[in-house]
Amino acid sequence: DAKTTQPPSMDCAEGRAANLPCNHSTISGNEYVYWYRQIHSQGPQYIIHGLKNNETNEMASLIITEDRKSSTLILPHATLRDTAVYYCIVRRGSSYKLIFGSGTRLLVRP
Amino acid sequence: EAGVAQSPRYKIIEKRQSVAFWCNPISGHATLYWYQQILGQGPKLLIQFQNNGVVDDSQLPKDRFSAERLKGVDSTLKIQPAKLEDSAVYLCASSQTAGLISYEQYFGPGTRLTVT
Repeated sequence: DAKTTQPPSMDCAEGRAANLPCNHSTISGNEYVYWYRQIHSQGPQYIIHGLKNNETNEMASLIITEDRKSSTLILPHATLRDTAVYYCIVRRGSSYKLIFGSGTRLLVRP
Repeated sequence: EAGVAQSPRYKIIEKRQSVAFWCNPISGHATLYWYQQILGQGPKLLIQFQNNGVVDDSQLPKDRFSAERLKGVDSTLKIQPAKLEDSAVYLCASSQTAGLISYEQYFGPGTRLTVT
């Protein structure tokens, strides 16, 4: 599975959009981009995933560049409860394995 | 719907002792995973079950770790004997699977193991 690169930490103000970048320059055509987050003392939580097109759900939006070498997770109106470690994972569609990196620690400031 | 249940939530043991963790996945989820998360790192897959069969245990230290999923529902992960470096959070996750399609994984709260 392709490796990902994320900034170790970011912060944003409450109520503003949080844009979390992820580089996956070696991604293959059949690999999906997944995002999970882990709030302190909890297990990881699925957020969203996509292959080529941008995706949106009730939690976030996922923007994937046309060449698929990078993506951005957008939390449109960050709240204090969004403070967590966010993991960007590239995963083959037919593979069950999730390989977690170190993620981005997002701090939402009041 | 009930989430993934794990017990105990916390465990402190001395090195060379044994310990067991229990996981009850979401009802109907055929695939079950055990992860190890060392402080400051992302979770690392230890073993994956499809029903009661092992799909991937390549990262499981088989000299001391064992896992089973009898009847394809609950699972236990055992460490015997424990080492100091086994101190970590042990996470259980489950997912639905249909053929080659694996859906998102749902994680339990984890068991925090401290080996002294």
